[in-house]
Amino acid sequence: DAKTTQPNSMESNEEEPVHLPCNHSTISGTDYIHWYRQLPSQGPEYVIHGLTSNVNNRMASLAIAEDRKSSTLILHRATLRDAAVYYCILRDGGGSNYKLTFGKGTLLTVNP
Amino acid sequence: GAVVSQHPSRVICKSGTSVKIECRSLDFQATTMFWYRQFPKQSLMLMATSNEGSKATYEQGVEKDKFLINHASLTLSTLTVTSAHPEDSSFYICSARPNTPRFGNEQYFGPGTRLTVT
Repeated sequence: DAKTTQPNSMESNEEEPVHLPCNHSTISGTDYIHWYRQLPSQGPEYVIHGLTSNVNNRMASLAIAEDRKSSTLILHRATLRDAAVYYCILRDGGGSNYKLTFGKGTLLTVNP
Repeated sequence: GAVVSQHPSRVICKSGTSVKIECRSLDFQATTMFWYRQFPKQSLMLMATSNEGSKATYEQGVEKDKFLINHASLTLSTLTVTSAHPEDSSFYICSARPNTPRFGNEQYFGPGTRLTVT
């Protein structure tokens, strides 16, 4: 599986934007970039995914570098409920029978 | 939509007993479900892929005779931890991938089951 690298932790203040980086220099042409987050003592929650173009949804935006070797998850206005571990995962888009391999993720702390 | 439930949410059992954990997709059918385990302060580790109507596929290092998986219907997969020991205490999480395109090709996760073996 292609590997991703994320900072262990980041801090943000409430109502400020947060940019969570992810490096994936060995990404292949068919790999989708997925982001999940896990709140304490809960299962992971899907946040967003993309292939080449930047993506927006109600939770976040995903900015993908032109060479696809890195991406950034953007939370436009962090709230206390956004405090979680954020996982950047590459998913082989070549078929529907894929597995997700979770790394250590980034622990986001949001200060009031 | 795309809700996955787990039961029980937490369970305490004595060493040597077996525990069954259920994973249900509530508003979609899923031929494929996944079971993960997460120890404190660590990431999720995939244990096995559960396929409806066929045998589960276990990841390397996971004992199939200890962690029995049954995927008897398109909305239910069960994980039975047999002869549980304290080292099996962990947070067990399932996920399901919907069969229909309505929910995309994502995996949807359950809320997890906290198992404590005394």
